[in-house]
Amino acid sequence: DGGITQSPKYLFRKEGQNVTLSCEQNLNHDAMYWYRQDPGQGLRLIYYSQIVNDFQKGDIAEGYSVSREKKESFPLTVTSAQKNPTAFYLCASSDRALTFGSGTRLTVV
Amino acid sequence: AQSVTQLGSHVSVSEGALVLLRCNYSSSVPPYLFWYVQYPNQGLQLLLKYTSAATLVKGINGFEAEFKKSETSFHLTKPSAHMSDAAEYFCAVSLYSGNTGKLIFGQGTTLQVKP
Repeated sequence: DGGITQSPKYLFRKEGQNVTLSCEQNLNHDAMYWYRQDPGQGLRLIYYSQIVNDFQKGDIAEGYSVSREKKESFPLTVTSAQKNPTAFYLCASSDRALTFGSGTRLTVV
Repeated sequence: AQSVTQLGSHVSVSEGALVLLRCNYSSSVPPYLFWYVQYPNQGLQLLLKYTSAATLVKGINGFEAEFKKSETSFHLTKPSAHMSDAAEYFCAVSLYSGNTGKLIFGQGTTLQVKP
């Protein structure tokens, strides 16, 4: 079945460490997105990519980085520069509407 | 700037009762509008979308929404609530027909269904 796979489901990070969240899709979508969700808030766009080897910052890109070397993959790195990284991270791809993965819950310990 | 406001962070209904979740948007151009549902610790699932065709949009699981330009609203309804409808619901707007993944989301409404 086509879909988006995010891994790991839960991730713990020590302060000062970088961590990479994986996102893979087999929907053959050109566009991919990373959103952040905090309790009681909606989703906010971190980065998006509409084509391989190209990506754009969203509304809250500071402290994050991405790459898009393959159509199927769009990993997100949460760097030590991100001041408040504890959140639920959602990857999505889009044709005419967003299709979401099941998310990665990142906790800084 | 475009924005989305969901009125009521929590809505509680009895099983079998009407579900009404409110969404208002601000936009200077015709918007594309979406409703998504999220179950605990899962991603979001598309319920329905409005893309300038019919103003009454039917979605999955018996939900529908009506686009009212004069009221800048896109409220979500379901005639009869089921226990399985308990979840968080998000309204979202996109102003870019060429990029329906770059969305502005509302803060979400948690729907509780009482037996």
